[in-house]
Amino acid sequence: GENVEQHPSTLSVQEGDSAVIKCTYSDSASNYFPWYKQELGKRPQLIIDIRSNVGEKKDQRIAVTLNKTAKHFSLHITETQPEDSAVYFCAATGGGTSYGKLTFGQGTILTVHP
Amino acid sequence: NAGVMQNPRHLVRRRGQEARLRCSPMKGHSHVYWYRQLPEEGLKFMVYLQKENIIDESGMPKERFSAEFPKEGPSILRIQQVVRGDSAAYFCASSPGEGEAFFGQGTRLTVV
Repeated sequence: GENVEQHPSTLSVQEGDSAVIKCTYSDSASNYFPWYKQELGKRPQLIIDIRSNVGEKKDQRIAVTLNKTAKHFSLHITETQPEDSAVYFCAATGGGTSYGKLTFGQGTILTVHP
Repeated sequence: NAGVMQNPRHLVRRRGQEARLRCSPMKGHSHVYWYRQLPEEGLKFMVYLQKENIIDESGMPKERFSAEFPKEGPSILRIQQVVRGDSAAYFCASSPGEGEAFFGQGTRLTVV
């Protein structure tokens, strides 16, 4: 089955800096890669996703890159703000009708210091 | 659109009791997924259901756990004879099929 590794486990940055979180996956058939943000005690919320037919996607301060050959994908947050502090999870799935059957990484605790 | 609704939000059970967790998917979504999140860990897939069918239960423990998604009503995750190790947050997600999954607020189960 799929295995997703996520690094770093914790990340501390100053407000305004950039943050980068990296994930690798094992199943070359995976073709859908979402990122979720989870605040303490709350639900995971989808913040951005990418499908295997593109290499990069951007939404305001958030961008995701995908390298299918190397089987890794990354989340980039620019101009970080304290409200970006949360746990971030990457995930991978084979897509099709199983877009919800996700294999998650272990999570990254991002702390943005004012 | 009310989103994915889970209830109860918090559930306390004594060891040996049964826990029933409910999930109503978003309107128009016919695919439901259950995940378990242990404290300070990531989410682990448990089961994938469509109406009246279990599609993939590869993440479900072999004993004491069952899930259903009847023709009418919410999806239910049932845990029989709960043990302390079952204490976790259980999240339900729904999708329209080929599209992103949206998560509910979760049910936090505490076994005492």
